[in-house]
Amino acid sequence: NAGVMQNPRHLVRRRGQEARLRCSPMKGHSHVYWYRQLPEEGLKFMVYLQKENIIDESGMPKERFSAEFPKEGPSILRIQQVVRGDSAAYFCASSPSGNGETQYFGPGTRLLVL
Amino acid sequence: KNEVEQSPQNLTAQEGEFITINCSYSVGISALHWLQQHPGGGIVSLFMLSSGKKKHGRLIATINIQEKHSSLHITASHPRDSAVYICAVPSESNTGKLIFGQGTTLQVKP
Repeated sequence: NAGVMQNPRHLVRRRGQEARLRCSPMKGHSHVYWYRQLPEEGLKFMVYLQKENIIDESGMPKERFSAEFPKEGPSILRIQQVVRGDSAAYFCASSPSGNGETQYFGPGTRLLVL
Repeated sequence: KNEVEQSPQNLTAQEGEFITINCSYSVGISALHWLQQHPGGGIVSLFMLSSGKKKHGRLIATINIQEKHSSLHITASHPRDSAVYICAVPSESNTGKLIFGQGTTLQVKP
C-alpha cells in the first residue's frame, strides 16, 4: 500500500508563472489536507477537501490559490501568477475520515519562485 | 498568543541522553499529534494520543488533558534522532485540520 504521493518533489517557477502541485492520497483515503511551510516557519493549514468538495479553505490566500480533489485523479493545489513569497514546502496529508485521526503526510513539494 | 507552543525551540544533546520536549496548547482537543520532520523534509506521524501515555521503541509521549500539556521523551538518544519534532492539535472547527507548534529542532551529537 503506497503512502501519500506528491509530485513534483521540487518545482522552480519564475514570477508570474503557474504552479500545479499534485497529491495522491493513500488508497482508501478520501480526505486530503494541504499545509504550507514557509522558510523558517511552522506548518500552516491551507485547505481541506473531500472527493469533489472543498470542506474548509480558511487557510487559503484569497487570491491566486485554488484547490480541487476530483472524483478521479489526484488532488491539485494550483497557484497562479506566483510571487517570491510563495516559495515554500507544500505538504499534503490524507486520512480515511476527517475526524482528527492520524493524518499521513506526503514527502512535500518544494516550490522555488525565482 | 499561539494556540500551540513548544519548548525548547532548539535542543542539543549528547548521544545517550534522555530528552524531553514539551507542548502546551490553549484549545480544547480530542487528541494531540507528535510528528517528526527529518532534515530531508519528510514528515512522519509518531503518535496520536488523547490520554495517558504511549510508547514506541525509545519514544514515549504523555498527555495531561486537564493541564493542556504534552511531553515527548526520547530515551537513550542517538544521532539519528536528530530532527524537528512538531506537536499538533486538531482545530476546534472539528474538520480535522491541524494547528502546529513551531517545532523543536533536536541535534544529538555522537
